[in-house]
Amino acid sequence: GENVEQHPSTLSVQEGDSAVIKCTYSDSASNYFPWYKQELGKRPQLIIDIRSNVGEKKDQRIAVTLNKTAKHFSLHITETQPEDSAVYFCAALSGGGADGLTFGKGTHLIIQP
Amino acid sequence: EAQVTQNPRYLITVTGKKLTVTCSQNMNHEYMSWYRQDPGLGLRQIYYSMNVEVTDKGDVPEGYKVSRKEKRNFPLILESPSPNQTSLYFCASSWGDSLNTEAFFGQGTRLTVV
Repeated sequence: GENVEQHPSTLSVQEGDSAVIKCTYSDSASNYFPWYKQELGKRPQLIIDIRSNVGEKKDQRIAVTLNKTAKHFSLHITETQPEDSAVYFCAALSGGGADGLTFGKGTHLIIQP
Repeated sequence: EAQVTQNPRYLITVTGKKLTVTCSQNMNHEYMSWYRQDPGLGLRQIYYSMNVEVTDKGDVPEGYKVSRKEKRNFPLILESPSPNQTSLYFCASSWGDSLNTEAFFGQGTRLTVV
């Protein structure tokens, strides 16, 4: 089955700086890579996703890049704000969708004022 | 409003007492799944279902059962709960195909087994 590794487990950045979270996956057939944000005490919610036919996708301060050859993808958050503090999960969809999403272990992003 | 609803939100039970956590979605999604979330371990899939009467094991199925008799409901059953099943549980649903697969999560159920 798919295996997703996520780093770092904790990331502390100054407000206004950029944050980068990296994930690698094992199944070369995986074709969909979403990122979820989970605020304290809340459910995970999708913030951005990318499909395997695209190398980069941007939505305001958030961007995701995908390197299929190296089997890794990254989340970039620019101009970080206090409300960006949360746990972020990457995931990969394999098995043509039949196996569902495999999640990384999460990154706790802390924005220092 | 499109949503995934879990009940109960909080549950404290004793070892061995059977319990069921319900999950219902109103988006006509084919794919439903259960995850448990533990500190440092992320979200691990317990069971999933591609459609009615079709269920399969995820990564950590031991000690759990599920059923999918209707498209909208996907209950999680713990026949004989043990303390190592103390966790935060999430139900999720999606279309399940490779083109449109955003997973929508329920509010979560915090289970404590003593």
